[in-house]
Amino acid sequence: DIQMTQSPSSLSASVGDRVTITCRASQGLRNYLAWYQQKPGKLPQLLIYAASTLESGVPSRFSGSGSGTDFTLTINGLQPEDVATYYCQKYSVPPTFGQGTRVEIK
Amino acid sequence: QVQLVQSGAEVKKPGASVKVSCKASGYTFTNFGISWVRQAPGQGLEWLGWISAHNGKTNYAEKFQDKISLTTDTSTNTAFLQLRSLRADDTAVYYCARDYPREPSDCFRHWGQGTLISVSS
Repeated sequence: DIQMTQSPSSLSASVGDRVTITCRASQGLRNYLAWYQQKPGKLPQLLIYAASTLESGVPSRFSGSGSGTDFTLTINGLQPEDVATYYCQKYSVPPTFGQGTRVEIK
Repeated sequence: QVQLVQSGAEVKKPGASVKVSCKASGYTFTNFGISWVRQAPGQGLEWLGWISAHNGKTNYAEKFQDKISLTTDTSTNTAFLQLRSLRADDTAVYYCARDYPREPSDCFRHWGQGTLISVSS
């Protein structure tokens, strides 16, 4: 099975910073790659699907890119409400999540 | 609107079984599948398995083949996750999520609210 490795496992950044989270697949994927945000005590929320398509209602400061084995989630202008753990997921069989990246405000 | 409403929290003893329900509304249940995901305390998301509400076909993560059974009741638009031989490390929040009907290959746009299963002697 394809493994998904996220980095970093946690980060601390200032409000307004650009934040980048990376997800690497152990084998090449099609673009069946999603990103989720999970705030403490809440459900995961879909942010990005098909590697780069922004889910309806998600702020435009979130963006996704990448193909093959390397994918990136970028937050352009970190906001206090973005404090959360972010997960990548390959959603081809079998679905597999990355281990998560915790984002905090410095 | 699409809604997935799960059954309430349960406390079980080691070795017991438990059945979690996920009642769907706001869409045609048999046109989709349901995946199940769990999250142990302080840990990440882990996919358990999938069932097609269209034909009952299942696909289980290898790690959970002997742990779970997935079923549906199309008369009540409800999916079920049964966990057996519970251990302390099965303590987690269990989520259902809407998926594709033919195989587990959709991103999870719609989630249940989660069901906390606690296993303790």
